Amino acid sequence: AQTVTQSQPEMSVQEAETVTLSCTYDTSENNYYLFWYKQPPSRQMILVIRQEAYKQQNATENRFSVNFQKAAKSFSLKISDSQLGDTAMYFCAFMNNNAGNMLTFGGGTRLMVKP
Amino acid sequence: EAGVTQSPTHLIKTRGQQATLRCSPISGHTSVYWYQQALGLGLQFLLWYDEGEERNRGNFPPRFSGRQFPNYSSELNVNALELEDSALYLCASSLVGSGGNEQFFGPGTRLTVL
Repeated sequence: AQTVTQSQPEMSVQEAETVTLSCTYDTSENNYYLFWYKQPPSRQMILVIRQEAYKQQNATENRFSVNFQKAAKSFSLKISDSQLGDTAMYFCAFMNNNAGNMLTFGGGTRLMVKP
Repeated sequence: EAGVTQSPTHLIKTRGQQATLRCSPISGHTSVYWYQQALGLGLQFLLWYDEGEERNRGNFPPRFSGRQFPNYSSELNVNALELEDSALYLCASSLVGSGGNEQFFGPGTRLTVL
C-alpha cells in the first residue's frame, strides 16, 4: 500500500517570501502521479500542481513549483512570492494507475501567510 | 462551467439512522469519487464509480455504499450510522478515470452523527 507523509503540520511565511512544503511517499510502483491540492478555509479543494513520475522535469504553475526527487520519493512544493490568498491547508497526494484511481493523501500542512 | 455540486451542505443524524449524500459531477465527467475527511484521520478514499459501475472501494465497511446514475450523478449511502461517521464527505469527478486525470472536488457535505 502507498503512504504519503507530510512532516510539517503547520507552517507560516511572511507575505512576498518563499516557503517550501515537504512531502514524502512510499511505493513500489514505477508509474504514478503526484499532486498538490489546496483547501482554503471553508472553501473547495483545488488542484495546485500535478507531476507524472515518468517526467524528470519538475512541474511549474506560475508561483508554484515542485522539487520531484523520484529516487528519494520526495515531492516538495515551493510557493514563491507568497500571497495572503495562499493561506490554506495543502495536501500532497499520490495516485497509482494500477490501484483504481484512488488518491492517497498526506495528513496536510496548514500554511498561514502573514501580512 | 458549473463545478461539482453536493447536497445537502449539512446533515445531522442520530446513531443508527441512514444518511444519503448526493453529488453532481462536472458536465462531461464520467468518473465520480467519494472521500471522507474526518478529524484526525485525514482524507480517505471511499468509492470510485465510472459509467455506472463501482470500480474501486476503500477500506470502509459495507454499510458505506453508493451508486451512479445514468446522468453520472452519484449517491453515497451510509447505513447504521455511528458517531465516528461524523466527517466532511467530499465528492470529486474526473474525465475517464485513467491517466492521472485531475479530480475536481465539490464543497462537501458535513455529516454530524449525534
